[in-house]
Amino acid sequence: GAGVSQSPSNKVTEKGKDVELRCDPISGHTALYWYRQRLGQGLEFLIYFQGNSAPDKSGLPSDRFSAERTGESVSTLTIQRTQQEDSAVYLCASSLRGAKNIQYFGAGTRLSVL
Amino acid sequence: GQQLNQSPQSMFIQEGEDVSMNCTSSSIFNTWLWYKQDPGEGPVLLIALYKAGELTSNGRLTAQFGITRKDSFLNISASIPSDVGIYFCAGLGSSNTGKLIFGQGTTLQVKP
Repeated sequence: GAGVSQSPSNKVTEKGKDVELRCDPISGHTALYWYRQRLGQGLEFLIYFQGNSAPDKSGLPSDRFSAERTGESVSTLTIQRTQQEDSAVYLCASSLRGAKNIQYFGAGTRLSVL
Repeated sequence: GQQLNQSPQSMFIQEGEDVSMNCTSSSIFNTWLWYKQDPGEGPVLLIALYKAGELTSNGRLTAQFGITRKDSFLNISASIPSDVGIYFCAGLGSSNTGKLIFGQGTTLQVKP
């Protein structure tokens, strides 16, 4: 597609349920990033995928968070046993290579945990 | 960990006025980026800076990469209503991962 696509755009869930968020990067982009943006805050890095290299998971806040990526395409961010503090906008970005190349962002998934 | 301090937090200005915002860090960055985010959208890149001292313009926007590599500023000249939004600075450190560190954002409102 023309840009980074994320789905769903909005997700409302009950505390304790698991959620899956999807990101389709720009075709040909080898690097993919997930960020979290709490209300009124900047973006916090969560995880980074680059080709077949081991992902950089250093930003994941707890073991309830995990992410997978199939080759150089779709990525899924999973949050297990959601908590109210997980409520945020989850943004995905992709770039041609890891460092220096410009990251292009999707519109995000707004997650609300009730 | 690395943190960016961005100021001001918010600005309310008259159309036609110039705007300035800046970011500072306690550690060195090799790249500084400025993004704009509209409501319900992801951030969009405005300007990228790759060398200390670099001054780059994009239309009415001008940004500079500080000599110490620990700061950057963004200026918007002759503001217009569509400049409304949240502006973020972001830094890329020495890591090869491309992991960006973001400032807290500057919310800009422009009064016609």
